[in-house]
Amino acid sequence: KAGVTQTPRYLIKTRGQQVTLSCSPISGHRSVSWYQQTPGQGLQFLFEYFSETQRNKGNFPGRFSGRQFSNSRSEMNVSTLELGDSALYLCASSLYGPQKQGLNSGNTIYFGEGSWLTVV
Amino acid sequence: GENVEQHPSTLSVQEGDSAVIKCTYSDSASNYFPWYKQELGKRPQLIIDIRSNVGEKKDQRIAVTLNKTAKHFSLHITETQPEDSAVYFCAAVGTGNMLTFGGGTRLMVKP
Repeated sequence: KAGVTQTPRYLIKTRGQQVTLSCSPISGHRSVSWYQQTPGQGLQFLFEYFSETQRNKGNFPGRFSGRQFSNSRSEMNVSTLELGDSALYLCASSLYGPQKQGLNSGNTIYFGEGSWLTVV
Repeated sequence: GENVEQHPSTLSVQEGDSAVIKCTYSDSASNYFPWYKQELGKRPQLIIDIRSNVGEKKDQRIAVTLNKTAKHFSLHITETQPEDSAVYFCAAVGTGNMLTFGGGTRLMVKP
């Protein structure tokens, strides 16, 4: 089956603009998480959505927001872009979300290829 | 919240040697520990994971060990090959209900 799909793969924006990134999870997966990856800060959690509800949020300013649709596809939006927002934005999907690991669950977390955002 | 530390940050080995990467975590309630391999410009790919009810798991040349008492877990790669060269990330899921990643280890396997 198809993997996690993210669009666009690459984009360049100007400071002050806003951007919307899209993520289509693996079919049947209801949890979508977003991560920001930068050389300096590594991989940092942004937020997680499950069944159209934000279940968890990382330590990012309110300029970063997201949503999830009834088909589990998710979008994240960054408003008033800053140079420091330049990063690889990764989407991850799983059946039940990171917390529902259980002892023998098949709740593996899979990543998309990411969206490379450059802010100039 | 959870804090995951990973060592070393870079590791260079000769082809055929073993490589070991170590991670420590802070949240004693953490119960899931995946390892991801990320090649340049590519997505992180799960290579092995371990849950808190087992102490060791092996998959061909890759193994992971977990010591819950000491709160650390390690990745072992035997008979390394040039294609093993990549950045490896450990992660943990604890009470924060999110993947918390270590800082990554850049593994270089010299032919």
